Amino acid sequence: ETGVTQTPRHLVMGMTNKKSLKCEQHLGHNAMYWYKQSAKKPLELMFVYNFKEQTENNSVPSRFSPECPNSSHLFLHLHTLQPEDSALYLCASSQGTSGGWETQYFGPGTRLLVL
Amino acid sequence: KQEVTQIPAALSVPEGENLVLNCSFTDSAIYNLQWFRQDPGKGLTSLLLIQSSQREQTSGRLNASLDKSSGRSTLYIAASQPGDSATYLCAVGDNYGQNFVFGPGTRLSVLP
Repeated sequence: ETGVTQTPRHLVMGMTNKKSLKCEQHLGHNAMYWYKQSAKKPLELMFVYNFKEQTENNSVPSRFSPECPNSSHLFLHLHTLQPEDSALYLCASSQGTSGGWETQYFGPGTRLLVL
Repeated sequence: KQEVTQIPAALSVPEGENLVLNCSFTDSAIYNLQWFRQDPGKGLTSLLLIQSSQREQTSGRLNASLDKSSGRSTLYIAASQPGDSATYLCAVGDNYGQNFVFGPGTRLSVLP
């Protein structure tokens, strides 16, 4: 276990549904990340939060809405998704504000299927 | 825009062999480079982190080198074991933020 948990582990949703992914880290870290891993594509960084403030948004469509209420919790709210959004969504955390400069710890991921 | 490639895409070796995985990146203005392993259906586990000012890092049977000027890194695995079977990913962190760019990975199978 890396100290980063994600729920649910698997999710099936229709295109009109609204759902949320949850990530929690027990490492005392200050930075948290959402990544998307699609089949046959490299892992893509979606969002970065430092001390609860969003510091990076890699041109992610607005149907993905992140929320970071505190340094330990990160959510990804999903609405009106498309089938091509089906992927493994990974959460990660790291020590400080300089995520590129230190090790990231990943959760097990949420496998999302959009029908 | 940074692009990261990894060669080979897949590799199958008998147990006990030494092997090298390759990672290349197009923009040498990186802050660090990390190697991860990913087991099927699971998240990533960090293996080694090399700062841009460093040439290599070692952990147990793993050794990672970095040649920033040529845009290359290698991960050397000594005396491979079946438990090493996984997908190995390299990722580069840039100087301008926290944007991590990952390679597509090398899928390694070590046969007993």
